[in-house]
Amino acid sequence: NAGVTQTPKFRILKIGQSMTLQCTQDMNHNYMYWYRQDPGMGLKLIYYSVGAGITDKGEVPNGYNVSRSTTEDFPLRLELAAPSQTSVYFCASSPRQGSYEQYFGPGTRLTVT
Amino acid sequence: LAKTTQPISMDSYEGQEVNITCSHNNIATNDYITWYQQFPSQGPRFIIQGYKTKVTNEVASLFIPADRKSSTLSLPRVSLSDTAVYYCLVSGGSYIPTFGRGTSLIVHP
Repeated sequence: NAGVTQTPKFRILKIGQSMTLQCTQDMNHNYMYWYRQDPGMGLKLIYYSVGAGITDKGEVPNGYNVSRSTTEDFPLRLELAAPSQTSVYFCASSPRQGSYEQYFGPGTRLTVT
Repeated sequence: LAKTTQPISMDSYEGQEVNITCSHNNIATNDYITWYQQFPSQGPRFIIQGYKTKVTNEVASLFIPADRKSSTLSLPRVSLSDTAVYYCLVSGGSYIPTFGRGTSLIVHP
């Protein structure tokens, strides 16, 4: 099992550009999450999904979009990148409803200049 | 959603036992308590989860008193590699996990 994989590892975007952060898990987990972590801070939930075709907003969804067409994949789309979106992005998955036993990917470090 | 409070930082030395306490005064009946560890430039890693009394695994122990308004993560005989940020989360079904700033543990030689 590879667990949760994320691509790319690093990316530099110019203001106004768009990109998709990829997340894939091979554990057949229904629950998936996208977080961002700013330097010295905790993680903030952007979007989450409870299964294929079902997504919902987290704490900081503005400027982002997600889709969940399969159990395995949960891509995060940034439209019109802004410097405030410079952060490290983590994807996670979980096997059970309400369980905080989440498995995290290695992260994507994004810089918007 | 139950709010948690933990110390911002702690220092220890190799070989010592470290106890990190988390306060969660408004924990609900169906809430569980979960702890994560995060190394620099890595995603958080699940350490331990419990509901009441004591839970132990190969990494740590979790102590939860009867009123469940706090919990203590115990790391036995820490080493330099235990230097990390430790997060306490409380949940009972909410899909919005909340990671605070955590406790930054520094282990000195």
